[in-house]
Amino acid sequence: DADVTQTPRNRITKTGKRIMLECSQTKGHDRMYWYRQDPGLGLRLIYYSFDVKDINKGEISDGYSVSRQAQAKFSLSLESAIPNQTALYFCATRGRISTDTQYFGPGTRLTVL
Amino acid sequence: SQELEQSPQSLIVQEGKNLTINCTSSKTLYGLYWYKQKYGEGLIFLMMLQKGGEEKSHEKITAKLDEKKQQSSLHITASQPSHAGIYLCGADRSGGSNYKLTFGKGTLLTVNP
Repeated sequence: DADVTQTPRNRITKTGKRIMLECSQTKGHDRMYWYRQDPGLGLRLIYYSFDVKDINKGEISDGYSVSRQAQAKFSLSLESAIPNQTALYFCATRGRISTDTQYFGPGTRLTVL
Repeated sequence: SQELEQSPQSLIVQEGKNLTINCTSSKTLYGLYWYKQKYGEGLIFLMMLQKGGEEKSHEKITAKLDEKKQQSSLHITASQPSHAGIYLCGADRSGGSNYKLTFGKGTLLTVNP
């Protein structure tokens, strides 16, 4: 079984709809991240969390919100989806030690029509 | 913010040829991560470099970190079609703790049989 899972893997929705992307991990890591990937722009950090009570905005948090329901679960919500939020979304986790590897989930392809 | 420039943006090589991908930072590199991504899929961790002059190898892939030049290079020897994909470098922007990574835009590698 994968250490970092994301659901759904693909989603097509309409402008204005509320969407939630979910991430679960079995690595026991405290730190979790949400990124989006766009062609030509690379990976950009949306939100990150160091534990259940510590959530921080990344470089492109506008239009997004997150919830850290438990150490193992970190959800990303688009309250009112818009077409320029069409992208590939990745969840990632890592441990506390500076040399720890950052592991990525398989990604969610979101299309907003 | 730490900017990471990858070069080249894309690369087409014949199977069996050697190649190098570079990742240059505008700021001091405290930790440098290399990932590989198959198009539209998740990121697979390749290796992490933390000390100036450090060099790591995995199968036919070697990465080096030149702290003075604020640059890392990824070298593939005797490339194979299985090496094709997008290579991304990520670097710490948190002053050494590696808790928040910035990523380059990626290098698309095509290996022709």
